[in-house]
Amino acid sequence: GAVVSQHPSWVICKSGTSVKIECRSLDFQATTMFWYRQFPKQSLMLMATSNEGSKATYEQGVEKDKFLINHASLTLSTLTVTSAHPEDSSFYICSLVGLAGRDEQFFGPGTRLTVL
Amino acid sequence: DAKTTQPPSMDCAEGRAANLPCNHSTISGNEYVYWYRQIHSQGPQYIIHGLKNNETNEMASLIITEDRKSSTLILPHATLRDTAVYYCIVRPRNSGYALNFGKGTSLLVTP
Repeated sequence: GAVVSQHPSWVICKSGTSVKIECRSLDFQATTMFWYRQFPKQSLMLMATSNEGSKATYEQGVEKDKFLINHASLTLSTLTVTSAHPEDSSFYICSLVGLAGRDEQFFGPGTRLTVL
Repeated sequence: DAKTTQPPSMDCAEGRAANLPCNHSTISGNEYVYWYRQIHSQGPQYIIHGLKNNETNEMASLIITEDRKSSTLILPHATLRDTAVYYCIVRPRNSGYALNFGKGTSLLVTP
């Protein structure tokens, strides 16, 4: 299957700072990437859909000015949490779709964000 | 996407078959049944998917009832590394949309 990496794997930051999370496809070009977040003991919730070269589409209740998504190339999407607060502490996961001839989505290993 | 219902948790002894049920009584004709799992603190992993015929791959088997209103994921010889949350998702194939994760079934494989 496709290899997806995320960096960093975990990050701790102070309240009010911004954090950038990278999602990379290592072995195929992904025109669409998804960003999910997962709070403790809860399921994954879709935050936004990221298409290469266009603006991301955000789910209801997700602030686009707070969670900045940049899908600058077919192998890289970034999620920036701006002015992070403790309630933004979560597990952030990206996924890729559209490997030719296959229908499964491939997920990154996730990034654990802790805001103090 | 059609709604699915799964038991919140299940136990299975190591080496035995794990049978995880899923109800999807409102599934549409063009919707497939997908299974993913998430090991603790990792990203989800694709397992298998099917439309109406039973499917098998190196990870698992998927049994879909004739009326397609329910399915069962079978891990034939569960190992401790199969302990994870298993998600049953129904959606059209190649829809290009994100996955709608429900609460899943937390499977605990015990020695």
